[in-house]
Amino acid sequence: QITLKESGPTLVKPTQTLTLTCTFSGFSLSASGVGVGWIRQPPGEALEWLALIYWNDDKRYSPSLKSRLTLSKDTSKKQVVLTMTNMDPVDTATYYCAHSSATRNNWFDPWGQGTLVTVSS
Amino acid sequence: EIVLTQSPGTLSLSPGERATLSCRASQSVGSYLAWYQQKPGQAPRLLIDDASNRATGIPARFSGSGSGTDFTLIISSLEPEDFAVYYCQQRSNWPFTFGPGTKVEIK
Repeated sequence: QITLKESGPTLVKPTQTLTLTCTFSGFSLSASGVGVGWIRQPPGEALEWLALIYWNDDKRYSPSLKSRLTLSKDTSKKQVVLTMTNMDPVDTATYYCAHSSATRNNWFDPWGQGTLVTVSS
Repeated sequence: EIVLTQSPGTLSLSPGERATLSCRASQSVGSYLAWYQQKPGQAPRLLIDDASNRATGIPARFSGSGSGTDFTLIISSLEPEDFAVYYCQQRSNWPFTFGPGTKVEIK
């Protein structure tokens, strides 16, 4: 059974850097074709894809946020870390991580429960 | 960036009725389109991938069709648990993008 869980601060101040960790089980991020993505959702709004890291360390970022995002992985710890710099109140959202692999036709399945991050002074 | 447009924004139906949701892409995505269901307070769940394949455990009342730029999700007979928001997503081109969602609400 594949599970993912996001962790990190619930409140950050404007201009600070957000660091979120996705801890997963049930799959290996060293297996060919496997990836972990990040998606966010402001309160009451739609989903926004942020970034994706693959088993071979290939990383993809949303162009609109690329300058602020960094992905890393620790295969042995079964974790993926997303950092977002220069946080702003408009970045207030629930942040999700999700599994992607060829066994799921490379779609996001399943997702973590999400973690709500509020940006406020 | 490929823009996905979903219609209608809100669909008001009664249990047992048929729901037809549309997703249109600003350029062809081939069959690289998925549908997700999201209930309040929950993470999205994959329903349909590659335009027409039901994900594991998804009931047969959910079906997807389309290719290129026009896609449809049909719920043949709404169950109480189907009232939710539905999003489409493309992975044909980077960056991946989601549609704005269609809310299916109880009439």
